[in-house]
Amino acid sequence: QKEVEQNSGPLSVPEGAIASLNCTYSDRGSQSFFWYRQYSGKSPELIMFIYSNGDKEDGRFTAQLNKASQYVSLLIRDSQPSDSATYLCAVRQPTDNFNKFYFGSGTKLNVKP
Amino acid sequence: DVKVTQSSRYLVKRTGEKVFLECVQDMDHENMFWYRQDPGLGLRLIYFSYDVKMKEKGDIPEGYSVSREKKERFSLILESASTNQTSMYLCASSLPQWREEVDTQYFGPGTRLTVL
Repeated sequence: QKEVEQNSGPLSVPEGAIASLNCTYSDRGSQSFFWYRQYSGKSPELIMFIYSNGDKEDGRFTAQLNKASQYVSLLIRDSQPSDSATYLCAVRQPTDNFNKFYFGSGTKLNVKP
Repeated sequence: DVKVTQSSRYLVKRTGEKVFLECVQDMDHENMFWYRQDPGLGLRLIYFSYDVKMKEKGDIPEGYSVSREKKERFSLILESASTNQTSMYLCASSLPQWREEVDTQYFGPGTRLTVL
C-alpha cells in the first residue's frame, strides 16, 4: 500500500469551473499535509499546507483535511488554463530526529478555455 | 526567497560511469533531500540528511550514495550508472522539525539524467 494515493487523472474542467483534487494517506501519524503544483518539465512548487482538520483558504485555493477519514483535498475555484499542471499531495511523518515526506504520484489537471 | 540550485539540468552518461549530482541551498536549511521522479511512481526518496555528515537512507537507496561535507551542499553519487537510473532527480531542502516555521520542502529545478 502506498503512503499517499492520488487519482492520476487527467481531470478535465472548463475554464471558470471548480476543480476538485483528492488524496488519501495511510499513516495516521502524519502531521502536515501539502499540495504542490508541478508544470511539465519543472520542479514542484508549494501551493498550500494544512495541519488541522477543516478548511484552509488562500485566494482561489482551498485545502480540506479530514484526519478521521485520512483524506485531503484541494479545491481550485475559477479555474484558469494556467492552472493546468500536475498536482502532488504530500504528507509529513515525524520521527525522532527528522521528518519524512511522502508524495503521491500526482493528478494531472487540464483546464479547457 | 529560498534558492535551491542543481549543477545540471540535463545530463547524459554511459552505463558504468560514476555520476555526481550536486545540490546547493542558500537558506541555511538543516535538512536536505534527494528524490527521483518517474512517471506513475511519483517522487521517491533516495537519501536525506538532517545535518552535516549525517545521512539517512530513504526508500530506494540501492545504487546510490550521498555526501554532505558542508551544510549548504548535498551530493548524490551514482557509483556505477545503470539504465534503470534514467530519471528526473530532484533535490530539496527544509528547516528541521524542531523549528516552529513551516517545515516546507523547497525544490531545486531538477536534473534529467539519461544513462545509455
